[in-house]
Amino acid sequence: QVHLVESGGHVIQPGRSLRLSCGASGFTFSRFPMHWVRQAPGKGLEWVAVISADGKTKYYADSVRGRFTISRDNSNNTLYLQMQILGPEDTGRYHCARPTRNDFWGRYGLDVWGQGTTVTASS
Amino acid sequence: QSALTQPASVSGSPGQSITISCTGTNTDIGGYHYISWYQQHPGKVPKLIISEVSDRPSGVSDRFSGSKSDNTASLTISGLQADDEADYYCSSYSSTSTLPFVFGTGTKVTVL
Repeated sequence: QVHLVESGGHVIQPGRSLRLSCGASGFTFSRFPMHWVRQAPGKGLEWVAVISADGKTKYYADSVRGRFTISRDNSNNTLYLQMQILGPEDTGRYHCARPTRNDFWGRYGLDVWGQGTTVTASS
Repeated sequence: QSALTQPASVSGSPGQSITISCTGTNTDIGGYHYISWYQQHPGKVPKLIISEVSDRPSGVSDRFSGSKSDNTASLTISGLQADDEADYYCSSYSSTSTLPFVFGTGTKVTVL
């Protein structure tokens, strides 16, 4: 069964750093680009970042570019999101998501989602 | 960066049909057929229910249908059921360099 499990969410002071992880199982992880999507409490979905299947190409939303880094370890079927200089606006639930096919931009939709991990940036 | 515009809420009675709009620009919805819709029940993860404007993934009820006209995409739910009460989000590929993957603002569907 296809499965994504995020971890690493925490309550953290503004300005600090945090790394999220997403473990994948049930599919050939190395064949798919992967996305991070976040959702602030009571708010809508916000796309955060994408990484290509081989890890060489990455793209970020303006709101996180320069502060967040997406990466992956295909040998361990794990996706990461390194977050720096966290602010209250980064508070939310962070989901990793897999596109329906090997399309970098997820143009055909994201059909597998993890339950998410919660990040709270607060003093 | 701008999200696609959806009505905040739509409601309907059981058995009725409702339509949710999703308005963008010619650099996203108007320019491509890469429009998806997601259903999110409270406390749950989003579920892909429509891709490429009108395609339903396997297992998704045929009561859900999608369409597009110019810069506006639409999701229609026919034969409204209690379990359809959820938040719905559209998304689209965008050719703008700043935000290539954009979600809609979200619509709360209430079954009266």
